[in-house]
Amino acid sequence: ETGVTQTPRHLVMGMTNKKSLKCEQHLGHNAMYWYKQSAKKPLELMFVYNFKEQTENNSVPSRFSPECPNSSHLFLHLHTLQPEDSALYLCASSQDYGEKAFFGQGTRLTVV
Amino acid sequence: AQTVTQSQPEMSVQEAETVTLSCTYDTSESDYYLFWYKQPPSRQMILVIRQEAYKQQNATENRFSVNFQKAAKSFSLKISDSQLGDAAMYFCAYRSGETSGSRLTFGEGTQLTVNP
Repeated sequence: ETGVTQTPRHLVMGMTNKKSLKCEQHLGHNAMYWYKQSAKKPLELMFVYNFKEQTENNSVPSRFSPECPNSSHLFLHLHTLQPEDSALYLCASSQDYGEKAFFGQGTRLTVV
Repeated sequence: AQTVTQSQPEMSVQEAETVTLSCTYDTSESDYYLFWYKQPPSRQMILVIRQEAYKQQNATENRFSVNFQKAAKSFSLKISDSQLGDAAMYFCAYRSGETSGSRLTFGEGTQLTVNP
């Protein structure tokens, strides 16, 4: 248990569905991240939020829409996904300036 | 932009032996942090060890230690007395110490197998 909780753990969705991934941390961290991990590829940063403000969007397609309503919660809204979007989506949080990041257990997403 | 390279896609070690995983990185920054993360089959990322670039002393955490060579931009992980539970994918990661809310940049990972 790292203090970062992701739900759901597994998600299967059709290409026309709309779903959301949720991430929650109560570690008092001010930065939160979404990463995508595909098979045989390095972890890819998707979004960074710092003090609820998006500070980085790593050229992510608009079918992925993040939301950070407060510093403890981060969502990833999914719409009209493609099969190649199937991956493990990891949320992480950290304090500032090089502090270690704590990761959630991830959501295994399958797009059919 | 910073890059992290792990040149060993797979490594194996006998139980109770020692293994070293390699990592090199490229950066123009002087203030940064380096990490090793472990990802077991459960897929959760677990922090193994952390090194501040300004510290000359190599970080250690029980059976895990690093060999940090700043001039060479090398950051290897040594696992002593390897255990079956050490089997996992290991990721080397870099983070800027100069930017607020900065990203972690990961290497490609090294799959470690521990043989009984």
